This record gives sequence, structure tokens and C-alpha cells, in this order.
Amino acid sequence: GESVGLHLPTLSVQEGDNSIINCAYSNSASDYFIWYKQESGKGPQFIIDIRSNMDKRQGQRVTVLLNKTVKHLSLQIAATQPGDSAVYFCAERRSGNTPLVFGKGTRLSVIA
Amino acid sequence: EPEVTQTPSHQVTQMGQEVILRCVPISNHLYFYWYRQILGQKVEFLVSFYNNEISEKSEIFDDQFSVERPDGSNFTLKIRSTKLEDSAMYFCAHGQGAETQYFGPGTRLLVL
Repeated sequence: GESVGLHLPTLSVQEGDNSIINCAYSNSASDYFIWYKQESGKGPQFIIDIRSNMDKRQGQRVTVLLNKTVKHLSLQIAATQPGDSAVYFCAERRSGNTPLVFGKGTRLSVIA
Repeated sequence: EPEVTQTPSHQVTQMGQEVILRCVPISNHLYFYWYRQILGQKVEFLVSFYNNEISEKSEIFDDQFSVERPDGSNFTLKIRSTKLEDSAMYFCAHGQGAETQYFGPGTRLLVL
């Protein structure tokens, strides 16, 4: 069954507000997670990753939080901009060199 | 982010025909992957390739699919006899290691 999923299929936010996109995973053995952004007609674009030995990682305007207790991953985007409008996927790697397993995606719409 | 390129960007083919999708590698990347995304659905893993060998493949990657690096340059995905359900976006991904994967823009395949 589905082991990587997203709580909200769509999210609308005002420009300038912060966005939070959530992801649940079911495999406690997963050791690596990535967030990708996919704009219409394009390939997934790497945003940020995190290993299971961390609970937080920050990038430019983005933060990923990992809660292994409840198997939850979130992506926070600060000061959301119109260019952030896209579908966001979380992906997990279950162990070692196994391939990534993607969730279904959340569509983020930024309202100007 | 390293840039991965794919050709063609679009391909239309008749059912039963062979197609070859190409990916131009980044010189120092050792891990290669093919994924597909049926319209409106999540990204699905097909196959991973390392050291000129398939390292892992999914159930989707049946006998109709093959991958190779014919001259150590382009990384190709061949579908020998296309079916209607092969219509999808096909993404090549690369990585220096087995973790972070950078995706190409994709090839949109339409089987009629």
C-alpha cells in the first residue's frame, strides 16, 4: 500500500505568508528524505533533503522538519512568492541504495 | 543544481513501435535512474543503473524495457513494443552518490 503520502492535496497561501506542506511516511526504516518541486511540464526540481539522524535542516527560505516519532515530514517555505506555485513531492529512501518512493504531491497556489 | 538534459522533449508513436529515450549525463555522476509519471499521478521508479549495470528495477520495468549507455555517453531507455499505457512523462535522474537525484526535464511519450 501507499507508504508515502500527503495530508493536503492543495494549499493556497497569500503572497508573503509562510507555507507548510506535510508528508507522512509509514516505513520506520526510511533513512533519507527529499522534497521536490515540480512546475507544470517540467521535471522534479530538488529543493532540500534530510537524513534520518537529523530533525531539522534549513536552506534558502526553506526548512524541512522530520519527526521520526510520528513518521512525519514537513516543508516550510518562508515569505511565499508567486514563483513558488507548483506541486511539491516528498520522497523517501527506505534503506541503503534503494530507489526513491514518491508521494502523490501537494499543489501550492500563491495568491498575489 | 546540476543540469540534466533529455531528448526528445516530446515523442508520438504508434502502439507496437519501439522508442528510445535519451538522457545526457553529467560527467562526474555515477548513478542513473529512470522514472515515469503518468498524467496527474505520482512519479514512479523504473530502474537504477550504476557501473554500467542495472542495480535495481521495479515491477513496471518488464521485458519490454531496457537501459544502456551504448558508448559511455548517453543513457538510454528503450521500450521495444509500446503499449497505450506507456504514455507518460519519462524522467532521467542522475546523482553523484546514491542519494540526491537531479531530474531532467522529461520526455513526454504519447502512444496512439
